[in-house]
Amino acid sequence: GEDVEQSLFLSVREGDSSVINCTYTDSSSTYLYWYKQEPGAGLQLLTYIFSNMDMKQDQRLTVLLNKKDKHLSLRIADTQTGDSAIYFCAVGNPRGGTYKYIFGTGTRLKVLA
Amino acid sequence: GAVVSQHPSRVICKSGTSVKIECRSLDFQATTMFWYRQFPKQSLMLMATSNEGSKATYEQGVEKDKFLINHASLTLSTLTVTSAHPEDSSFYICSARDFASYNSPLHFGNGTRLTVT
Repeated sequence: GEDVEQSLFLSVREGDSSVINCTYTDSSSTYLYWYKQEPGAGLQLLTYIFSNMDMKQDQRLTVLLNKKDKHLSLRIADTQTGDSAIYFCAVGNPRGGTYKYIFGTGTRLKVLA
Repeated sequence: GAVVSQHPSRVICKSGTSVKIECRSLDFQATTMFWYRQFPKQSLMLMATSNEGSKATYEQGVEKDKFLINHASLTLSTLTVTSAHPEDSSFYICSARDFASYNSPLHFGNGTRLTVT
């Protein structure tokens, strides 16, 4: 079945760049998302990319998509302590108006001061 | 941006009682909403897809008689946990997308922490 994998933990120092990786199995995925979850809260949409794009940059966030390898990454430049959270990638494919999103396991980012 | 409001944010109930959780799309219409359950330090598990004006579609292993879903309008879906037991304690999150926008992503509510004593 469809699967989305992420590494569980990432630790970086404040000011460094963070790179969170995600691999997926469904090659027909057309929408790929990154969400952030802070403790006790819901998921906040950070950014997303369509499958016809290779890269998208939005301020400190850069998303790279390698469709051949089915690999998605999120780079956070100048990582701050407020970036400490769990980051989920999600892939989705709308078929006939029905959406099914598959979420990764989440990567817990810890930013060290 | 699109806002999804979920209430209550936290509820504690006694075993055997029922709890209703509301999910509203505040500035867009959502023919479809999704209910997720999240266990501590784990990813989201899709429970069901809520369809306005029709029956919800439940994922395999989710008891539809225990988790009642009603999607009576284009902006409101409710999840009722019936005869709750301690094992139903979890974090429940709803999400919705703006059906008028083909490219619209999912937007999430802030979740409901359910504790059954």
